[in-house]
Amino acid sequence: GAVVSQHPSRVICKSGTSVKIECRSLDFQATTMFWYRQFPKQSLMLMATSNEGSKATYEQGVEKDKFLINHASLTLSTLTVTSAHPEDSSFYICSARTSGLSYNEQFFGPGTRLTVL
Amino acid sequence: AQKVTQAQTEISVVEKEDVTLDCVYETRDTTYYLFWYKQPPSGELVFLIRRNSFDEQNEISGRYSWNFQKSTSSFNFTITASQVVDSAVYFCALSQGGSEKLVFGKGTKLTVNP
Repeated sequence: GAVVSQHPSRVICKSGTSVKIECRSLDFQATTMFWYRQFPKQSLMLMATSNEGSKATYEQGVEKDKFLINHASLTLSTLTVTSAHPEDSSFYICSARTSGLSYNEQFFGPGTRLTVL
Repeated sequence: AQKVTQAQTEISVVEKEDVTLDCVYETRDTTYYLFWYKQPPSGELVFLIRRNSFDEQNEISGRYSWNFQKSTSSFNFTITASQVVDSAVYFCALSQGGSEKLVFGKGTKLTVNP
């Protein structure tokens, strides 16, 4: 199956710093990538949808100025958490899909665990 | 609006027992897709199955089986002869035919004890 990687897998940062998380599709071109956030013992919540070359679409309640998403190529999307605070500590998961599929399948990355001190 | 309900928050069984994880969904669309994912402690989501709304056939894959019932809007997942390695959080998810968005249930944490 299609492989999606995320980097870094874990990051610890101080409050107020910015953190960038990369999501890459390794063996296919991802026309659309999704970013999810999962708080401990909770479900995955979609944060935003990004299409290559266009602005991301954010879900209600997600601050676009705080969570910057860039989908500059068909294999890479980045999520930057700006001025991170302890409440941003979470598990961030990306997924990717390619056009041409007859069904809605997303391939998930392994996730990035962010801890803000 | 779409919604996925996994009423069982946690289930604990002893190895070799059969266990069924419930999933009830809500959608107004006639075309939609249902999914099950496994999330082991490592955190990575493992895709288990996808089913579209026009295919109500039940599916069996090894020790796993799925029962899709449109009449009750349910898509239940059964693990037969459970094993310790089945311990994980299992998520049921739904997407509408015209949308790429996945809506996840809250997950069921399954613990299989030796």
